[in-house]
Amino acid sequence: AQTVTQSQPEMSVQEAETVTLSCTYDTSESNYYLFWYKQPPSRQMILVIRQEAYKQQNATENRFSVNFQKAAKSFSLKISDSQLGDTAMYFCAFMPPITNAGKSTFGDGTTLTVKP
Amino acid sequence: DAGVTQSPTHLIKTRGQQVTLRCSPKSGHDTVSWYQQALGQGPQFIFQYYEEEERQRGNFPDRFSGHQFPNYSSELNVNALLLGDSALYLCASSALSGGLGETQYFGPGTRLLVL
Repeated sequence: AQTVTQSQPEMSVQEAETVTLSCTYDTSESNYYLFWYKQPPSRQMILVIRQEAYKQQNATENRFSVNFQKAAKSFSLKISDSQLGDTAMYFCAFMPPITNAGKSTFGDGTTLTVKP
Repeated sequence: DAGVTQSPTHLIKTRGQQVTLRCSPKSGHDTVSWYQQALGQGPQFIFQYYEEEERQRGNFPDRFSGHQFPNYSSELNVNALLLGDSALYLCASSALSGGLGETQYFGPGTRLLVL
């Protein structure tokens, strides 16, 4: 069974600064997908970024980027130029290929507060 | 392009009752997954439906069952409700084909309170 660990329950950052959220996972799969989702106080879960395990290049989406270390089973999220609207709970998620019988697994989340 | 929709938004039930939650997937998606999210925790995978069949199931009792219809919409049924079933229930849809099948898009959720 897969596990996903987010070791930082809460973090804060000043507006315009950079913050990194940590995620580690454990799996015996060689092919899988990793995601970061954002859940603002409104509770709608929003996709932030996606990484395929077979790709060595780290994914980037505007101000959001990841540091994917497959051997270390680490998948951190970096938010640059933090904005007040980035305040939310962030979840790291592991998903096996949809053709496998694996189950998706989420971490328990990191609450990020961006301060003005 | 409509995203994932869920109904109802909120629901209050008493112990022992049964509840049905509904989900319509994003346009072009054929796979629906259901999650239970307790307050302050990450979503827990309940099960996934594709081609009207349950493909995968998490560690949830048989009181939790589901269905997928030919138009890809889905229902989650919970029987014999317990206080511990109080949670936010999230539906997520994805497309099996096209290489992005693993990317799930979530609905706004249904908040269930069991008294």
